[in-house]
Amino acid sequence: DAGITQSPRYKITETGRQVTLMCHQTWSHSYMFWYRQDLGHGLRLIYYSAAADITDKGEVPDGYVVSRSKTENFPLTLESATRSQTSVYFCASSELAGIQETQYFGPGTRLLVL
Amino acid sequence: GQQLNQSPQSMFIQEGEDVSMNCTSSSIFNTWLWYKQDPGEGPVLLIALYKAGELTSNGRLTAQFGITRKDSFLNISASIPSDVGIYFCAGQRTPLVFGKGTRLSVIA
Repeated sequence: DAGITQSPRYKITETGRQVTLMCHQTWSHSYMFWYRQDLGHGLRLIYYSAAADITDKGEVPDGYVVSRSKTENFPLTLESATRSQTSVYFCASSELAGIQETQYFGPGTRLLVL
Repeated sequence: GQQLNQSPQSMFIQEGEDVSMNCTSSSIFNTWLWYKQDPGEGPVLLIALYKAGELTSNGRLTAQFGITRKDSFLNISASIPSDVGIYFCAGQRTPLVFGKGTRLSVIA
């Protein structure tokens, strides 16, 4: 299906484990983004990418790693999960940057770290 | 990081009532966006505003780009139960700057 998808939709893991959240978009958008959403904090940007092999830190990058070897994929890895990383994670993509930027969001991954 | 001040944080209204929410910033933005997030879903774009003073409608939703370019407003007329969700404003930067959201509850 066309659009932006995330997998898994739900994940339970334990403290210290490595977890990778997947994001895939079919529009060939240049820009991709990872956010986390927590009560009282709204959407906080973790990392973003302007193109394949180009990534930049957002507001809350610590404890996360990203890669972008292909335009359509932007995986987010928690190298050693902590309880504070329990959250809902959203991936987004946009075709353009600047004044005409419109981000399209995936359905989210709900992560619980025990 | 830069933040937008979005208010109110939450609202409980009766079905049929009109709703107003706003977003302010200390910085100027050239584009304002309004998103809605349904429960359990990702945010979806409702309205985009590109010009200071612009008033744009999308069905029962009307949004305005403030003339100072430091604020934006969203109004929902005659609310219905499916209006429930979180409404986010966003100001144009790369990446976008989001407000913390207004959580709307509609009582039938």
